[in-house]
Amino acid sequence: QLVVTQSPSASAPPGASVKLTCTLSSGHNTYVIAWHQQQPGKGPQYLMKLNSNGSQKKGDGIPDRFSGSSSGAERYLTISNLQPEDEADYYCQTWDTGGVIFGGGTKLTVL
Amino acid sequence: EVQLVESGGGLVQPGKSLRLSCAASGFTFDSYAMHWVRQVPGKGLEWVSGISWNGATKDYADSVKGRFTISRDNAKSSLHLQMNGLRPEDTAFYFCAKAGYSSGYDVFDFWGQGTMVTVSS
Repeated sequence: QLVVTQSPSASAPPGASVKLTCTLSSGHNTYVIAWHQQQPGKGPQYLMKLNSNGSQKKGDGIPDRFSGSSSGAERYLTISNLQPEDEADYYCQTWDTGGVIFGGGTKLTVL
Repeated sequence: EVQLVESGGGLVQPGKSLRLSCAASGFTFDSYAMHWVRQVPGKGLEWVSGISWNGATKDYADSVKGRFTISRDNAKSSLHLQMNGLRPEDTAFYFCAKAGYSSGYDVFDFWGQGTMVTVSS
């Protein structure tokens, strides 16, 4: 069964970089994922689609500060030069034959 | 510009029904699968249901199977979710989301702002 795991929280100061991780359960390390950002009080926003080989397709208007990478069953979202508006929840999304699955989300605090 | 605007949420008693709608614009609606995702306030995202571009394929999460029905009207660029037999645990924000492909599962590349459903007596 496909399970998607994310750390509950992360923090970093403005101007720094942070790397968020989405881990796919055993046997699912070829799966494609998407990263989404949800700012407080808003609907989610699509950031990018990320393949197992690290290739990515970003959504419209997503800054270059956001980048994705992959290693085995791990999918990463790196945010560089953190801005106050990057403080948000970040979700990874994937899917299997049974439906769409979200990770539990990572709450990013920009200190 | 892609826009997805949900409506129809509100306060409803347990066991009653509610119909959510999502008005889509800014893209060729009948070329893409569409989905509903919900979120209990303060919690994570949960996929609810999806429908293919032509309505031929519909999928549901186990938690709503047999109670919720997804549909679409391509002529009006609208998506709907008929929710019957509502339970307190269905209380959540409900988001409409556009898929990247016409059928099957894919990334959700656009989202609405959501409509709140509260199930309480």
